[in-house]
Amino acid sequence: GENVEQHPSTLSVQEGDSAVIKCTYSDSASNYFPWYKQELGKGPQLIIDIRSNVGEKKDQRIAVTLNKTAKHFSLHITETQPEDSAVYFCAALDDYKLSFGAGTTVTVRA
Amino acid sequence: DVKVTQSSRYLVKRTGEKVFLECVQDMDHENMFWYRQDPGLGLRLIYFSYDVKMKEKGDIPEGYSVSREKKERFSLILESASTNQTSMYLCASSLRARYGYTFGSGTRLTVV
Repeated sequence: GENVEQHPSTLSVQEGDSAVIKCTYSDSASNYFPWYKQELGKGPQLIIDIRSNVGEKKDQRIAVTLNKTAKHFSLHITETQPEDSAVYFCAALDDYKLSFGAGTTVTVRA
Repeated sequence: DVKVTQSSRYLVKRTGEKVFLECVQDMDHENMFWYRQDPGLGLRLIYFSYDVKMKEKGDIPEGYSVSREKKERFSLILESASTNQTSMYLCASSLRARYGYTFGSGTRLTVV
């Protein structure tokens, strides 16, 4: 089955700086890569996703890049704000199922 | 707005009890999933269903079963709760294969 590894496990950034989270996956058949943000007491919410026929996607301050050859994808958050503090999960989809990384706890320092 | 609703936010049960966790979605989605979330382990798939009355084992099905009698409802059953099943349980649904998920808010289950 699919194995997704996510790094780092914790990330502390100064407000206004950028944050980068990296993930690798094992199954070359995976073709959809979403990122979820989980705030305290809530379920994960989709923030951005990318399919295997695209190399990069951007939505305001967040962007995702995908390197299918190397089987890795990354989340970039620019101009971080306090409300970006949360746990972020990457995932890879093969057929029906998403396999998730272990999560990154992002703390934005004011 | 699309919704996945989990019946309880917090639940405390005794060891050996039979526990039912309920999940309902209002989006007419085909697929439904149960994950458990533990610190440092991320989200691990317990069971999923791609159609009414259909179910498939995920990565950690031991000690759990599921029921999907109607398209909108997917239940997770702990036949005999144990302390190692203390966790956050997340339900999710997706329109069909290769689509993203919508998650519920989670049920934090404590088994004592």
